Amino acid sequence: GDSVTQMEGPVTLSEEAFLTINCTYTATGYPSLFWYVQYPGEGLQLLLKATKADDKGSNKGFEATYRKETTSFHLEKGSVQVSDSAVYFCALGGSFTGGGNKLTFGTGTQLKVEL
Amino acid sequence: KAGVTQTPRYLIKTRGQQVTLSCSPISGHRSVSWYQQTPGQGLQFLFEYFSETQRNKGNFPGRFSGRQFSNSRSEMNVSTLELGDSALYLCASSSTTGGYGNYGYTFGSGTRLTVV
Repeated sequence: GDSVTQMEGPVTLSEEAFLTINCTYTATGYPSLFWYVQYPGEGLQLLLKATKADDKGSNKGFEATYRKETTSFHLEKGSVQVSDSAVYFCALGGSFTGGGNKLTFGTGTQLKVEL
Repeated sequence: KAGVTQTPRYLIKTRGQQVTLSCSPISGHRSVSWYQQTPGQGLQFLFEYFSETQRNKGNFPGRFSGRQFSNSRSEMNVSTLELGDSALYLCASSSTTGGYGNYGYTFGSGTRLTVV
């Protein structure tokens, strides 16, 4: 079945540091890939997405490239801010044979950015 | 444009009781999915509804059920609550109609259920 492996947290960085959160996946077919972010006490917010191989998703300075050859979708940001502190989830969008979709999530990576 | 609205935000129930959670999707979205989030199991798919029909269900016992109304609003019900049902329940809506091309979901803020 589909699965997502995400790097363990927590990750603690200083403000303006470079961020990489690794994500690899196992899936049949051609899934879409997503990064969601969750702030304390909140639901999930879509950060970025890529729907096919070699697509690059980007938003708010975050980027991730859909690499089919390495089955990866690593999240990067060149300069993190304290406001980026949150939990980040990599997710795979899979389809059911009879129609319909679901998301398979990684375990989440907590990011803490300090001044 | 209003987002996905879940009510209530917080709920405390006793073991053995039942509970109903509500979700109003983004206007025009016909697909509603439910997820359970716990520290131990992470985020797990419960079920998906589209046009009042349950299309798919995750690996949860029959105590977990749901339905969708003609206006796309959805409810999920958990009967005979157990301590392990304590979790954040998230609802998500999507405008996709199925098949390939999962373009992502918009999530609500969730209902935090505590079973005591």
